[in-house]
Amino acid sequence: AQSVTQLDSHVSVSEGTPVLLRCNYSSSYSPSLFWYVQHPNKGLQLLLKYTSAATLVKGINGFEAEFKKSETSFHLTKPSAHMSDAAEYFCVVRKMDSSYKLIFGSGTRLLVRP
Amino acid sequence: NAGVTQTPKFRVLKTGQSMTLLCAQDMNHEYMYWYRQDPGMGLRLIHYSVGEGTTAKGEVPDGYNVSRLKKQNFLLGLESAAPSQTSVYFCASTRGGNEQFFGPGTRLTVL
Repeated sequence: AQSVTQLDSHVSVSEGTPVLLRCNYSSSYSPSLFWYVQHPNKGLQLLLKYTSAATLVKGINGFEAEFKKSETSFHLTKPSAHMSDAAEYFCVVRKMDSSYKLIFGSGTRLLVRP
Repeated sequence: NAGVTQTPKFRVLKTGQSMTLLCAQDMNHEYMYWYRQDPGMGLRLIHYSVGEGTTAKGEVPDGYNVSRLKKQNFLLGLESAAPSQTSVYFCASTRGGNEQFFGPGTRLTVL
């Protein structure tokens, strides 16, 4: 069975410092992995996706994630946090069948202090 | 393109009432999904559709029904609402194999 685990429910950083949001996955196959962001009272927006091409994936707004098969991890990083990055972030794995269903992690809320 | 739209944005129901949530997409996507979002639990799949006229159960289907009579629309019905169905509901669509596009959500409260 496929699943993702987000290791931190809340992460707090100061503006201008690096961001690290951790995600581990479980999959019998080479997975398709995504990070989505949800700003308060908004829908979900795709940040980036990994689909077995380059292991370092660049996304929007300066975010990137590295797929590490040996560690079954797909951590999200950003060199310098902005106040506008405060949001909830979801690590997601796609089911490897014809339904293209997504399986969501429980989310990490990122707080950015001035 | 409007993308994925949801109607209504907010609704308050009393226990036992029924309602239908409408999802519409203008991207000609084959696949459509209904999720619910509850605090600390991420999004959970209620029902989905892989094409017009087809529907299937997701992770948490009990208490909900769906219909996909037209390719662009996916309806989620609550026949007899319960307080446990208080949640934020999201619809999404995809052509398949790539990202899902999400609607803005419907906030439902059942008293």
